[in-house]
Amino acid sequence: DAKTTQPTSMDCAEGRAANLPCNHSTISGNEYVYWYRQIHSQGPQYIIHGLKNNETNEMASLIITEDRKSSTLILPHATLRDTAVYYCIVRVVNDYKLSFGAGTTVTVRA
Amino acid sequence: GAGVSQSPSNKVTEKGKDVELRCDPISGHTALYWYRQSLGQGLEFLIYFQGNSAPDKSGLPSDRFSAERTGGSVSTLTIQRTQQEDSAVYLCASSLASRTMNTEAFFGQGTRLTVV
Repeated sequence: DAKTTQPTSMDCAEGRAANLPCNHSTISGNEYVYWYRQIHSQGPQYIIHGLKNNETNEMASLIITEDRKSSTLILPHATLRDTAVYYCIVRVVNDYKLSFGAGTTVTVRA
Repeated sequence: GAGVSQSPSNKVTEKGKDVELRCDPISGHTALYWYRQSLGQGLEFLIYFQGNSAPDKSGLPSDRFSAERTGGSVSTLTIQRTQQEDSAVYLCASSLASRTMNTEAFFGQGTRLTVV
C-alpha cells in the first residue's frame, strides 16, 4: 500500500521556485516525511526530512501542513541540474526500510 | 570523508555465471542496505545489516541471492547462476543507526549488472 501520493511529473522554469507536493493522509504521529531525489544514472540523494515543523537546508525547504496530511518540497531556484525523480517517503525514525514509490519526475527547462 | 563506494560500476556476465558486487559504506556507519532498480522501475529493497544483529533478508528475491558484511564494514552481494531478469542497477546505502533511530541513508552510484 502506497503511503504517499505524488504527481507523476511536473515541469519547472530554470531560476524559478519548484514546489513539489506530496499527500500522506494516513501518516502516523511518529512517522517522518523524507525527500530523496535520483538524478539519471545516479543513486538516490537525500534532500531533507521533517516531523511537523517546517525545515530548511542548503538544498531545499520542506513545508508540512498543520494536520501533517501533506507536505511540499520547495527548490527555491531550480537549475537544470535539479532535473530528477523526486521521492516523498514516510517512515518511523527507527525504521530502516525506505519504501520508494514512483516519485515525481521533475524537468527543469531553460 | 568519502561517500558510499560500489564496485564494479558496470558488470556484464553470461547467464548462469555467479557475480559478486561490493559495497564500501561510509566510515562509521553501522547500517548497510542493498536495493535494486530494474530499468524504468522503482527501488526494491533487498537486505539490511545493522551492527551485530541478524540481517533482514526479507527482500532477497530467491535463494540465488545472498549477502554478507564482514567486520561490520564492507559488504558483498552475491548472485549465483545469474538469470536475465537479474539485470538491474544494484544500489548500496549506509546510515548511522541504533535501536531507537536511523539517520538518513546515503547511496552509492550503483553497479549496473547486465546478464546476457
